[in-house]
Amino acid sequence: AQTVTQSQPEMSVQEAETVTLSCTYDTSESDYYLFWYKQPPSRQMILVIRQEAYKQQNATENRFSVNFQKAAKSFSLKISDSQLGDAAMYFCAYRSRDDKIIFGKGTRLHILP
Amino acid sequence: AAGVIQSPRHLIKEKRETATLKCYPIPRHDTVYWYQQGPGQDPQFLISFYEKMQSDKGSIPDRFSAQQFSDYHSELNMSSLELGDSALYFCASSSAKGATYNSPLHFGNGTRLTVT
Repeated sequence: AQTVTQSQPEMSVQEAETVTLSCTYDTSESDYYLFWYKQPPSRQMILVIRQEAYKQQNATENRFSVNFQKAAKSFSLKISDSQLGDAAMYFCAYRSRDDKIIFGKGTRLHILP
Repeated sequence: AAGVIQSPRHLIKEKRETATLKCYPIPRHDTVYWYQQGPGQDPQFLISFYEKMQSDKGSIPDRFSAQQFSDYHSELNMSSLELGDSALYFCASSSAKGATYNSPLHFGNGTRLTVT
């Protein structure tokens, strides 16, 4: 069975600095998708970025980018120029071909002014 | 753009009562998922539907049932409510299971259920 592990329950970063959130996963599949979701205090779940496993190029969305290492089964999220509005819980998620979606336990990110 | 609509936003029930949560997916999305998120927890998958048929089942108690209707909206029915059912219930939708499974889940704002 697939698993998703976020080893950092909480992280803090100074405003305008860069922070990297870690995510590792375990799977025997070769084709799958990975996502990062953000959950601010409003508890809404917001898609941040997605990565297709068969694409070697790392996904980028404005200040958000991923470092996808397929062999290492690692999918980290880098947030550049951190802003106060980035403070949230971040969930890494894995989606398999048979449509199973598994979330990690989340990393709470604090932005220090 | 239209988003996933959930109703009600908040619901307060007493133990042993029943509750019905509704979810209206994004137009043309044919897959609906229900998740339960306790305080400080990650979302736990309950059940999903594809084209009005149950497609997968997670940790959904037998006291809960769900269905997807012809207009693709879904309802989660919860009976004999317990204190431990207090949580945020998310509905999410996506398009074309299998064919475009890179389609991310789009979440509604959730229904906060409080059981007293």
